[in-house]
Amino acid sequence: AQSVTQPDIHITVSEGASLELRCNYSYGATPYLFWYVQSPGQGLQLLLKYFSGDTLVQGIKGFEAEFKRSQSSFNLRKPSVHWSDAAEYFCAVGEIGGGSNYKLTFGKGTLLTVNP
Amino acid sequence: EAGVTQFPSHSVIEKGQTVTLRCDPISGHDNLYWYRRVMGKEIKFLLHFVKESKQDESGMPNNRFLAERTGGTYSTLKVQPAELEDSGVYFCASSQDRDGPYGYTFGSGTRLTVV
Repeated sequence: AQSVTQPDIHITVSEGASLELRCNYSYGATPYLFWYVQSPGQGLQLLLKYFSGDTLVQGIKGFEAEFKRSQSSFNLRKPSVHWSDAAEYFCAVGEIGGGSNYKLTFGKGTLLTVNP
Repeated sequence: EAGVTQFPSHSVIEKGQTVTLRCDPISGHDNLYWYRRVMGKEIKFLLHFVKESKQDESGMPNNRFLAERTGGTYSTLKVQPAELEDSGVYFCASSQDRDGPYGYTFGSGTRLTVV
């Protein structure tokens, strides 16, 4: 069965600092990989996704993620964090070839606090 | 276009009571999903509708949970009777197949507290 591990439950960074959120997955083949963000009172918003091709993926709000097959990782990065980035971040993996049933498996999430 | 709407945003009920959560997907989206996040745990898949049919309900925790999608439009998720461990945030998402795999749009969720 597929699984997703986000080792960091809570990360605190200063505004303007760089950010890297870790994600490791377990899956038998090349997965579909996603990062979602949930701000307080909001729904889950898709930041970026990887299906195939270039292993460095650009997303919204200045985020990027790199797929590393050898490490089974899909870490999220941002060069300079803004106070508005404070939120909870979820990594997710999706099955391939499920017909029209696209079921996501999520990690437990990483809560990001941004200090002024 | 309007997004995925969930009602209510919060619900506090006593153990043993019944609660019904509602999800209005984006108009025209055939696929509708329910997910749940119990405190401190992962967001987990509950079930998937294609129009009014249940495509996959493998994530439903037990028979106290009943999901319906009458006419292939909005969906309801009923918990009867509610137990303390049902507390959490229930997310709904919808998508169109033409958006490709995982072209989900999530709602804001319903926070359910069972006391």
